[in-house]
Amino acid sequence: DAKTTQPPSMDCAEGRAANLPCNHSTISGNEYVYWYRQIHSQGPQYIIHGLKNNETNEMASLIITEDRKSSTLILPHATLRDTAVYYCIVLISGGYQKVTFGTGTKLQVIP
Amino acid sequence: GAVVSQHPSRVICKSGTSVKIECRSLDFQATTMFWYRQFPKQSLMLMATSNEGSKATYEQGVEKDKFLINHASLTLSTLTVTSAHPEDSSFYICSARELGLTRTDTQYFGPGTRLTVL
Repeated sequence: DAKTTQPPSMDCAEGRAANLPCNHSTISGNEYVYWYRQIHSQGPQYIIHGLKNNETNEMASLIITEDRKSSTLILPHATLRDTAVYYCIVLISGGYQKVTFGTGTKLQVIP
Repeated sequence: GAVVSQHPSRVICKSGTSVKIECRSLDFQATTMFWYRQFPKQSLMLMATSNEGSKATYEQGVEKDKFLINHASLTLSTLTVTSAHPEDSSFYICSARELGLTRTDTQYFGPGTRLTVL
């Protein structure tokens, strides 16, 4: 699996957009970018994933650069409940995969 | 998204006893399930991969005789911590792999089980 690099922590004001970056410079052509988050003392929650096109769902948007070496997860209007550790993971999809978690980014949403 | 449940959510046991944790995929069939362990202020660590109808594959350093995994059906995997000791106290989390309509697969995680061994 390609490795990812994320900032260890970020703050965001409530109601503003939270932009969480991730570098995955060694990503291969068949690897997808997945985002999960873990709220304290809960299991990780799936947010979104994509291959090369930008993706949007009810939770977030995923922007992947053209060279696919980095991506940004966007929470458009952060709330206090979005305070969590966010993990960016790259995986081959459609076959055997095991999710290896790095240290992620701890997002603190501030009132 | 798909729902994965775990039972129990919290368990306290005496040293030397065995504890069974169940992981169920509620609205999809999961040919593959994963078991993780998480110590305080650390990231999740993969313990083993469980495939329905076959033996689990354990990560390096995880004792297969201590952490027994059974994946007898497409919706249920169990983790049994045998002869538990205080150092086994941790947050145990399972995940189940769902193959979606777009033919990309996604892992969905259970809420976790907090094990405390006295």
